[in-house]
Amino acid sequence: ETGVTQSPTHLIKTRGQQVTLRCSSQSGHNTVSWYQQALGQGPQFIFQYYREEENGRGNFPPRFSGLQFPNYSSELNVNALELDDSALYLCASSSGTSGYNEQFFGPGTRLTVL
Amino acid sequence: KQEVTQIPAALSVPEGENLVLNCSFTDSAIYNLQWFRQDPGKGLTSLLLIQSSQREQTSGRLNASLDKSSGRSTLYIAASQPGDSATYLCAVPNTNAGKSTFGDGTTLTVKP
Repeated sequence: ETGVTQSPTHLIKTRGQQVTLRCSSQSGHNTVSWYQQALGQGPQFIFQYYREEENGRGNFPPRFSGLQFPNYSSELNVNALELDDSALYLCASSSGTSGYNEQFFGPGTRLTVL
Repeated sequence: KQEVTQIPAALSVPEGENLVLNCSFTDSAIYNLQWFRQDPGKGLTSLLLIQSSQREQTSGRLNASLDKSSGRSTLYIAASQPGDSATYLCAVPNTNAGKSTFGDGTTLTVKP
């Protein structure tokens, strides 16, 4: 059984650019959630994808968008990058949207915006 | 709106000591509570998941308890080792496991 994987590991961009981060969910999981973690803080929920549809969004602007593919892998896109977007981006997969499900996290993508 | 607090923010103990990490949440209508470990710059590793109907869960030297009525969970680490040094986070899902509210974590340092 393959765990959650993310790519790339690290990324450096300049302000105003666009970035795409990728996540492959754990085998058998149809739900992917994305989180942003600033240094010294807990992860903040960005949005969730369930069966290729967005299923809820946290307090993030529309320039944060995403996709989920038929194999349940997912992308996070951020347009017009700002310095404050520098963070560790985590994706988590679960076997559904129930509040009882366990989440499994990937290793994260470290984004630095200069 | 659920709020999750972890106190203390940092903890330093000598090797071999038993210790307790705390997690408090404001809305007791929870489904479960999950404890994670995070090494510097890395992702989250799930340690324990306690369902709302359970009082505690154990895995090796780790024991997590849950008291919904008081909005508290504790993570007990027995016989701490330097390899336990990491940040420990608790997470409480809203109606959906993937929309969890996290505390800011407790950074544990175990000194040899």
